[in-house]
Amino acid sequence: GQNIDQPTEMTATEGAIVQINCTYQTSGFNGLFWYQQHAGEAPTFLSYNVLDGLEEKGRFSSFLSRSKGYSYLLLKELQMKDSASYLCAVRGPNQAGTALIFGKGTTLSVSS
Amino acid sequence: EAQVTQNPRYLITVTGKKLTVTCSQNMNHEYMSWYRQDPGLGLRQIYYSMNVEVTDKGDVPEGYKVSRKEKRNFPLILESPSPNQTSLYFCASSQPGGLATSSYNEQFFGPGTRLTVL
Repeated sequence: GQNIDQPTEMTATEGAIVQINCTYQTSGFNGLFWYQQHAGEAPTFLSYNVLDGLEEKGRFSSFLSRSKGYSYLLLKELQMKDSASYLCAVRGPNQAGTALIFGKGTTLSVSS
Repeated sequence: EAQVTQNPRYLITVTGKKLTVTCSQNMNHEYMSWYRQDPGLGLRQIYYSMNVEVTDKGDVPEGYKVSRKEKRNFPLILESPSPNQTSLYFCASSQPGGLATSSYNEQFFGPGTRLTVL
C-alpha cells in the first residue's frame, strides 16, 4: 500500500528552528516534494529531493534517506509568515512517473 | 505569468444541479490533475490527464467527470452534486515526471475552488 506519515501539528516561536518529519512506504519512488500551503490557498512548491542527502534553499532545507523511507523539512529563523501547512508528497511510478501521493500535512503555528 | 486558473473560486449550489469548474494552464503542460482537499484527509486525486483526450480515474472519481479536448483546459464536471462533494478543489498541472528523473517537474496548483453543496 501507499502510506505517508507526518505529524498533524507543530508549534514553534519566531526565530527558532523547526524540523518536520515525513516517513513513507510507497510502491516505487521517483522523488519527494515539500509544499507549503497557507489556509485556504494553493500549495506552493518548496523543495525536491530524489537523491539521498540535504538540499538547502535559503531558510529552508530538506533531507532524504531513501533506505529509511524518511525525509525532513528544516525551517530556520522562523517568521510569523511561516505559519502554514507543510505537505510531504512522494512521486511514484504511476501516471508515467508523475502521480503525487500526499501526506495529510503538518500544520505549523509560529508565535511571537 | 505562468499560472493555473480556476473558476469559479467560490460556489454554493444545491443537490442535483449540474455544475462545471473550469481549469486552464498557460505553461503548455501535458499532465493535468484534479484534487479535493478535506480536513483530516489531505489532498486526494479525483481524475488526471496525461494529454489531450487521455484521462483516467484517480483515487476518488465517483460523482465526477472530466474532459480534455484542448491541452490547456481540464474542466471538472459534477453531473448531480451531493453534499458529500462539499470540499476545496484544486487543479494542478506539470510536465510528465518521468522515471528516475532528477528534474523537478513539480506540479503547479490553481488557486482552489471552494464548493458547498446544500
